[in-house]
Amino acid sequence: GIQVEQSPPDLILQEGANSTLRCNFSDSVNNLQWFHQNPWGQLINLFYIPSGTKQNGRLSATTVATERYSLLYISSSQTTDSGVYFCAVGDSNYQLIWGAGTKLIIKP
Amino acid sequence: DAGITQSPRYKITETGRQVTLMCHQTWSHSYMFWYRQDLGHGLRLIYYSAAADITDKGEVPDGYVVSRSKTENFPLTLESATRSQTSVYFCASRARGEDSPLHFGNGTRLTVT
Repeated sequence: GIQVEQSPPDLILQEGANSTLRCNFSDSVNNLQWFHQNPWGQLINLFYIPSGTKQNGRLSATTVATERYSLLYISSSQTTDSGVYFCAVGDSNYQLIWGAGTKLIIKP
Repeated sequence: DAGITQSPRYKITETGRQVTLMCHQTWSHSYMFWYRQDLGHGLRLIYYSAAADITDKGEVPDGYVVSRSKTENFPLTLESATRSQTSVYFCASRARGEDSPLHFGNGTRLTVT
């Protein structure tokens, strides 16, 4: 099956810093999504991005499908950005395969 | 309230007991999903449903049963709970359309003693 690797596993930054999170996947996919799990456990969908680039405020994501990776950019980090960021991929929206996540801590 | 609601938020049960986790969504989404989240594993799909009365197995279905008699409800039953089923369980739903985002409930933390 498809393997998903996220890096780095942990990231600690000061408020205001920028960050780049990476997701590598082992096979062609037609579905890739980024999620944020906040410190209270809530999961929020950030992007559906099987290819190309999208932006939503301070967050943007780029997927290079031919090279099997996706990047999530967070600019001007805020403490509310803390949590775990997950990449999930699949060949349909049923069997999404999830990465282990990147734990982000933003210090004030 | 609109959205997706899971109950209970916390549950402690004993090995061998049957326990049902509830999931209710108010969007009339066609698709519903049950995931479990364990440390170091991300989320793993247990069961999913494409519509009322249509369910299918995910990655880790053993020991679980689901039903979907109504579009808005998707209960998950552990027929005989085991300690390995201690986990956080998330229900999710989405509308039809490949780019429809998954919406998650707040999760149920289940402990099997």
